[in-house]
Amino acid sequence: GQSLEQPSEVTAVEGAIVQINCTYQTSGFYGLSWYQQHDGGAPTFLSYNALDGLEETGRFSSFLSRSDSYGYLLLQELQMKDSASYFCAVLTGGGNKLTFGTGTQLKVEL
Amino acid sequence: GAVVSQHPSWVICKSGTSVKIECRSLDFQATTMFWYRQFPKQSLMLMATSNEGSKATYEQGVEKDKFLINHASLTLSTLTVTSAHPEDSSFYICSAPGGYDEQYFGPGTRLTVT
Repeated sequence: GQSLEQPSEVTAVEGAIVQINCTYQTSGFYGLSWYQQHDGGAPTFLSYNALDGLEETGRFSSFLSRSDSYGYLLLQELQMKDSASYFCAVLTGGGNKLTFGTGTQLKVEL
Repeated sequence: GAVVSQHPSWVICKSGTSVKIECRSLDFQATTMFWYRQFPKQSLMLMATSNEGSKATYEQGVEKDKFLINHASLTLSTLTVTSAHPEDSSFYICSAPGGYDEQYFGPGTRLTVT
């Protein structure tokens, strides 16, 4: 089966940089995605890595190492609105089936 | 971006009754949709893959006779929770693939069974 592990909680101050790690065990791997979810809301797409390396999208960057079955999400210039849960998710099953990680609750403090 | 809607956004029902949740793709067609369940402070768990015009594919441990899925058109999938019990109370979310790397999620339906 699939398993993805993330830290359960991370706390950082406004303006700081935080890294959320994700390790996974899966078969039929296509890529690693990251989603943000605010309390009571729907997950929203942040980034996707199919190949090794770093992808940058504004304040958010995501990294993947397929050989290490490892990835991370890097959030820079943290803002209070970034307080949310962040999930990594592996894409399998022909490329459209997502299996989510355990989730990391990020708390941004003043 | 593409929009997925769900209806209702929240529902309260009595134990033993059935509840139907709709998931619609508003501005694109979706031959496949996914249904997830999320308990408080937990991750999203994939329940089943809804396939337009054919039977749904259920994940291991999900009772197909309890969670009935119908994908009758290219824009609509429904999830019916039959004979609901308090342990079925959860946040149900649907999604549809939007290209090779992104899924579009509905706003979710919060089900409370009393």
